[in-house]
Amino acid sequence: QLQLQESGPGLVKPSETLSLTCTVSGGSISSRSYYWGWIRQPPGKGLEWIGSIYYSGSTYYNPSLKSRRVTISVDTSKNQVSLKLNSVTAADTAVYYCARHRELWNWFDPWGQGTLATVSS
Amino acid sequence: QSVLTQPPSVSGAPGQRVTISCTGSSSNIGAGYDVHWYQQLPGTAPKLLIYGNSNRPSGVPDRFSGSKSGTSASLAITGLQAEDEADYYCQSYDSSLSANVVFGGGTKMTVL
Repeated sequence: QLQLQESGPGLVKPSETLSLTCTVSGGSISSRSYYWGWIRQPPGKGLEWIGSIYYSGSTYYNPSLKSRRVTISVDTSKNQVSLKLNSVTAADTAVYYCARHRELWNWFDPWGQGTLATVSS
Repeated sequence: QSVLTQPPSVSGAPGQRVTISCTGSSSNIGAGYDVHWYQQLPGTAPKLLIYGNSNRPSGVPDRFSGSKSGTSASLAITGLQAEDEADYYCQSYDSSLSANVVFGGGTKMTVL
């Protein structure tokens, strides 16, 4: 059974870079035809897609986010997907989830349990 | 403001039927992109409830059903139960901007 687990520092200072990792178990991240996405949820608010990466390394980002702030990458040797968000502000405080989807327009399943990242000095 | 519009809240008594709407536009739902639904229980990650407009993953009770028409979609819950109290989100894809996965703002379901 495929499982995803997010990890990273719980606290990041404003203007610094938030780095999170999603470790995949029970399956290979290199499996063909899958995308690996990041979705975030600010406290008490709704879901926002950040971006996704195809198994081949192609990336797709939410145009409403300043794409230069976001970098998603894969490390096939570690079976991990990473998210880097630079120049963070308090507005980036959220629970960050990783999830798998087969096509960009497809559903996300499964999801990781999420990790809370707080931006504060 | 979300690209897909959902009512902020709905409520119903146990046993009743309730529906949650998800309204989009000609660049997302109306363009033929599928709608998917998630249930998020308090303090947990979203869980896939309906995929491809009307399909239930294994393990989801048949009390949950989805439909799509024009630029809108709906999630229906029949025989409402206390454990259905949760947040529900719709998701689709928008072609007006490059590669944009879009979610609704979410609906809080309260079982009276």
